[in-house]
Amino acid sequence: NAGVTQTPKFRVLKTGQSMTLLCAQDMNHEYMYWYRQDPGMGLRLIHYSVGEGTTAKGEVPDGYNVSRLKKQNFLLGLESAAPSQTSVYFCASSYSAGTNYGYTFGSGTRLTVV
Amino acid sequence: AQSVSQHNHHVILSEAASLELGCNYSYGGTVNLFWYVQYPGQHLQLLLKYFSGDPLVKGIKGFEAEFIKSKFSFNLRKPSVQWSDTAEYFCAAWGTYKYIFGTGTRLKVLA
Repeated sequence: NAGVTQTPKFRVLKTGQSMTLLCAQDMNHEYMYWYRQDPGMGLRLIHYSVGEGTTAKGEVPDGYNVSRLKKQNFLLGLESAAPSQTSVYFCASSYSAGTNYGYTFGSGTRLTVV
Repeated sequence: AQSVSQHNHHVILSEAASLELGCNYSYGGTVNLFWYVQYPGQHLQLLLKYFSGDPLVKGIKGFEAEFIKSKFSFNLRKPSVQWSDTAEYFCAAWGTYKYIFGTGTRLKVLA
């Protein structure tokens, strides 16, 4: 089925380890986003991309890096994981900046840093 | 700065009760507003959206929302909730290139 696929779905990291979360969409969407969701804080934008080869910082970019080498993929990297990065991470994509389209969300990645 | 606020963090209702969840926004330009729902263990799904025109917007599953410009509000309503409406609800406004989300309201419906 068409949509946004996130891998992995669950991960436990030790403090200081690194990892990459993959977001893949097959809808030819231009815009892609990474959010983190924490209790009582809603969704906060980490980084986003308005097209292949472009990235921009969101509200909470510190400790994360991203890359959009291919239009369909948006990678989120944690170089040195910290317990404060324990969260649920959602990827989303949108056809354009036009609000008619809304977001399509992935199913999330639950990350625990111990 | 653009912001979206949701006043009710947790709401508990009995089945068949009426629902109203508050959402206020601050944004100086053209406003495009949305409500998303997240069922337990699932990702966010679009409930309804407002761009322009009729300020009363109807969405899926019997939900509706009213845009009141003078109050900077976009409250979500449902006349009669069901147990299956138990979820977290997020109000969002479209900013530059991206959504701005409220902090969410957890709704629990008791059977």
